[in-house]
Amino acid sequence: QQQVKQSPQSLIVQKGGISIINCAYENTAFDYFPWYQQFPGKGPALLIAIRPDVSEKKEGRFTISFNKSAKQFSLHIMDSQPGDSATYFCAASGPGNTGKLIFGQGTTLQVKP
Amino acid sequence: KAGVTQTPRYLIKTRGQQVTLSCSPISGHRSVSWYQQTPGQGLQFLFEYFSETQRNKGNFPGRFSGRQFSNSRSEMNVSTLELGDSALYLCASSLQGSSYEQYFGPGTRLTVT
Repeated sequence: QQQVKQSPQSLIVQKGGISIINCAYENTAFDYFPWYQQFPGKGPALLIAIRPDVSEKKEGRFTISFNKSAKQFSLHIMDSQPGDSATYFCAASGPGNTGKLIFGQGTTLQVKP
Repeated sequence: KAGVTQTPRYLIKTRGQQVTLSCSPISGHRSVSWYQQTPGQGLQFLFEYFSETQRNKGNFPGRFSGRQFSNSRSEMNVSTLELGDSALYLCASSLQGSSYEQYFGPGTRLTVT
């Protein structure tokens, strides 16, 4: 029940296209859902996050869509660029601010020029 | 503002030895969480410290321990190293309270031979 399942494992998108990564969770007590971006040799960097009382959040080219009833959330990267090529992780936390993030397995995104 | 710093960045140890890793959080952040990242298991939560107290612990053996100092800096220790402990060890700091955001350091790459 503590798992977060992420798909796909890898994704290839053409420059300018939309990249979509999906995550599903079981624990309805989770109340914080961030997305992280990680480049080789670096630590994960916080991209965008959402709480379950909001169905969508947009920051620049990055959008989180959240479906509470389906217990799913997804990351959309609009106008994907080669510089977006990285590994993306979804995560979940809660209830409350526990300091513990449960991560999905990651998606390796390659954006072809 | 300086980010999260971790030392050392790389470490090679022999099976059976022990190791101590250090993490300095972002100034003003009082919570430090530690994670282990491996290709097979992904990102897994080790423990979280707030105000020098361990508040949350992941599912790791007792060989993994940590502590936090009054200046919020944190250390983690792994005793009796095993080959399977080879991983990237990441720490993340957070303001805590109503702020759930965790910011990661670059990690310490530990290789056990």
